[in-house]
Amino acid sequence: EIVLTQSPDTLSLSPGDRVTLSCRASQDISESVAWYQHKPGQVPRLLIYDASNRAFDIPVKFSGSGSGTDFSLTISSLEPEDFAVYYCQQRNIWPPTFGQGTKLEIK
Amino acid sequence: HLLESGGGLIQPGGSLRLSCAASGFTFSSSDMDWVRHVPGKGLQWVSSISANGDITFYADSVKGRFTVSRDNSKNTLHLQMNSLRADDTALYYCAKEMLYGDYYFDLWGQGTLVTVSS
Repeated sequence: EIVLTQSPDTLSLSPGDRVTLSCRASQDISESVAWYQHKPGQVPRLLIYDASNRAFDIPVKFSGSGSGTDFSLTISSLEPEDFAVYYCQQRNIWPPTFGQGTKLEIK
Repeated sequence: HLLESGGGLIQPGGSLRLSCAASGFTFSSSDMDWVRHVPGKGLQWVSSISANGDITFYADSVKGRFTVSRDNSKNTLHLQMNSLRADDTALYYCAKEMLYGDYYFDLWGQGTLVTVSS
């Protein structure tokens, strides 16, 4: 199965910072990647699908890019509600798999 | 909206049946999945079922032990879990697949906790 490796595991940042999260796949998965945000006590939220398409109602500060094996999620200016765990996920090669997550914490 | 139930503490070898009640969307038109969050290991896809229930898939780790089913007349998804093991301990989410986006999950429940321990 495809292994997705996210980096870093944890990032300490401040509101207003710009951040780029990385997700690397163990083999070519085209553009079949999604990104999710998960806050404690809340349900996971789909942010991006097919590497760069924002899901319904997702603000433009979230953007995704990449293809093949390297993908990224960028948040242009962090707000307090953006501090959460972010997961990438691939669906190109069955079974669907997730990265281990990157935790964004407030510095 | 998705609301899971049925989790709990169960001994190894035991069985549990999880349920997920759906509302606010056309359940009978949606492929549905179970995804679990294993402590310290992140998210793992478990199983999927097609909108009309005729096609199911399972992760290798649960194949032969878990059975997914649905009742479209009651907008409910189920996961029958047998021969439970300690490594099945997780928070189990039901999730809806995007329309035209197989295995992208655009709606998740809050999860139900399954703990397998003696």
